[in-house]
Amino acid sequence: EPEVTQTPSHQVTQMGQEVILRCVPISNHLYFYWYRQILGQKVEFLVSFYNNEISEKSEIFDDQFSVERPDGSNFTLKIRSTKLEDSAMYFCASSVGRRLNTEAFFGQGTRLTVV
Amino acid sequence: AQTVTQSQPEMSVQEAETVTLSCTYDTSESDYYLFWYKQPPSRQMILVIRQEAYKQQNATENRFSVNFQKAAKSFSLKISDSQLGDAAMYFCAYRSRTGTASKLTFGTGTRLQVTL
Repeated sequence: EPEVTQTPSHQVTQMGQEVILRCVPISNHLYFYWYRQILGQKVEFLVSFYNNEISEKSEIFDDQFSVERPDGSNFTLKIRSTKLEDSAMYFCASSVGRRLNTEAFFGQGTRLTVV
Repeated sequence: AQTVTQSQPEMSVQEAETVTLSCTYDTSESDYYLFWYKQPPSRQMILVIRQEAYKQQNATENRFSVNFQKAAKSFSLKISDSQLGDAAMYFCAYRSRTGTASKLTFGTGTRLQVTL
């Protein structure tokens, strides 16, 4: 069964460092998303991406964040200068379309720890 | 903006019994989707069930069913014949079906414990 794959599963980084979280969405999916879940809190939307551009972003997704689909298969989230409050579980998701088949498939997540 | 509220932080059910998790939402839209996601200790988000707002019939998936009350903006999840593997966090989520909005808006979650 096709699945969304995220790497690494756990990343520890020092405050101020740049991190790149990687995701391989399901191959025929067209819409890609990043969500964040701070420990013990709800899952929050960060950004959606379609046709090689951001289609929507939340207030959390400030200038420190960027997304890219560098090679047609990977979908990355970059945090330029990490802060302690960026520590969270980051989920990548993908879906075939926005209106048709609305199920978003989630990856297993990347736990980011900023120290 | 849409909001999703889950008023039960924790619930407990005995194995083989039935439990209902509550969810309410607020929206001005008439066309949307509602979901229940399960998050086991592995932290992966797994879709449990989906409901289209334009459908009056409540969705069912094996032991999982929903009670969708559109006028009341209520979307509860019923788990029948509960199993130990059902223990997890359960998140209710909303998704617009119109315009450019395609994101999921989640509630705060309900932690379900299953006891012997």
